[in-house]
Amino acid sequence: AQSVTQLDSQVPVFEEAPVELRCNYSSSVSVYLFWYVQYPNQGLQLLLKYLSGSTLVKGINGFEAEFNKSQTSFHLRKPSVHISDTAEYFCAAHQAGTALIFGKGTTLSVSS
Amino acid sequence: DAGVTQSPTHLIKTRGQQVTLRCSPKSGHDTVSWYQQALGQGPQFIFQYYEEEERQRGNFPDRFSGHQFPNYSSELNVNALLLGDSALYLCASTKGTSRTNEQFFGPGTRLTVL
Repeated sequence: AQSVTQLDSQVPVFEEAPVELRCNYSSSVSVYLFWYVQYPNQGLQLLLKYLSGSTLVKGINGFEAEFNKSQTSFHLRKPSVHISDTAEYFCAAHQAGTALIFGKGTTLSVSS
Repeated sequence: DAGVTQSPTHLIKTRGQQVTLRCSPKSGHDTVSWYQQALGQGPQFIFQYYEEEERQRGNFPDRFSGHQFPNYSSELNVNALLLGDSALYLCASTKGTSRTNEQFFGPGTRLTVL
């Protein structure tokens, strides 16, 4: 079974609208959770991470995510998206050691 | 301060050939991990090097091997290339082996096997 599941493969949204990208994790992974962004032809950039403490995590570029242990979720949100947010987003967790296991990704397409 | 760098940017090989990809970690980092990202998929962990030894390995065949040099740079070698090895290969570096340390990714090497 997939250890990190991204529930939406594609999310189209209009500029300035709110967006939520969904991620669920299984008990086989650690609760160190991450969201990465990948712009076309580039590597991965860390948006935010949850290690412990407050369940609401704020990241770069106005993104935030909420860790929900009871629902095993770590959904990414932004209240108002820009055209420049168009990219591939990956949810990830540590499975063993420091190796990251990634979801299959969600393509966020922002149009005007 | 240079981030993680990888070379080459693109590479085209034919089936059965061998390839070597290179990675220089971010300054101050001593741990290097390699990931394979097939088209339309998330990255998959290949292996990790720390103190010049393979410390952790994912579910990849022995055709995939690596090396870490004293300056912490690393190589990924793939022998007997298959069409399915076509992918973006990402290198990530971090300082030490703690899970709380951020992994920084390079831009990747796009390998095409014909």
